[in-house]
Amino acid sequence: DGGITQSPKYLFRKEGQNVTLSCEQNLNHDAMYWYRQDPGQGLRLIYYSQIVNDFQKGDIAEGYSVSREKKESFPLTVTSAQKNPTAFYLCASSQTGDGYTFGSGTRLTVV
Amino acid sequence: ELKVEQNPLFLSMQEGKNYTIYCNYSTTSDRLYWYRQDPGKSLESLFVLLSNGAVKQEGRLMASLDTKARLSTLHITAAVHDLSATYFCAARGGGSNYKLTFGKGTLLTVNP
Repeated sequence: DGGITQSPKYLFRKEGQNVTLSCEQNLNHDAMYWYRQDPGQGLRLIYYSQIVNDFQKGDIAEGYSVSREKKESFPLTVTSAQKNPTAFYLCASSQTGDGYTFGSGTRLTVV
Repeated sequence: ELKVEQNPLFLSMQEGKNYTIYCNYSTTSDRLYWYRQDPGKSLESLFVLLSNGAVKQEGRLMASLDTKARLSTLHITAAVHDLSATYFCAARGGGSNYKLTFGKGTLLTVNP
């Protein structure tokens, strides 16, 4: 079945450490997105990519980085520059924006 | 810049009652989406509204869109406990980047 796979489901980060969240889709969608969710804040866009080897900053890109080397994959790195990374991270994909498919999410906690 | 405002943010209902969640957006949007989220889970797509006057219904939920007022509503009829969840609306900006801008969500609790 087609869909989006996010891993890991839970991730713990130590202070000063970079961590990478995985997002893989087999829907053949061109566009992929990363959102951050905090309680009471809704979802906020971190980065998005509409085509391989190209991506744009969203509303809260500081402290994050992405790559899009393959159509199926859009990993998100939370760097040590992100001072408050504890949140629920959701990856999504779409084909020309007709509909959006969301992954099951990664819950990141700073320890 | 597209902004989306939902209200109320918290809604406690009794079973069998009706209520409406409102979603206002600030600039032109060509699509309006409604999602449901259960605690700790991903987003489940409920409705996509494409044009002015669009109305869609699924079970006890009905969504509508008024593009002139930049307003979408999600109406709940005869609520049941299983509808307890957080509901988000999201607007897609015009142009070709297909970004979604979300409201803060409405936490709905349906009490017996």
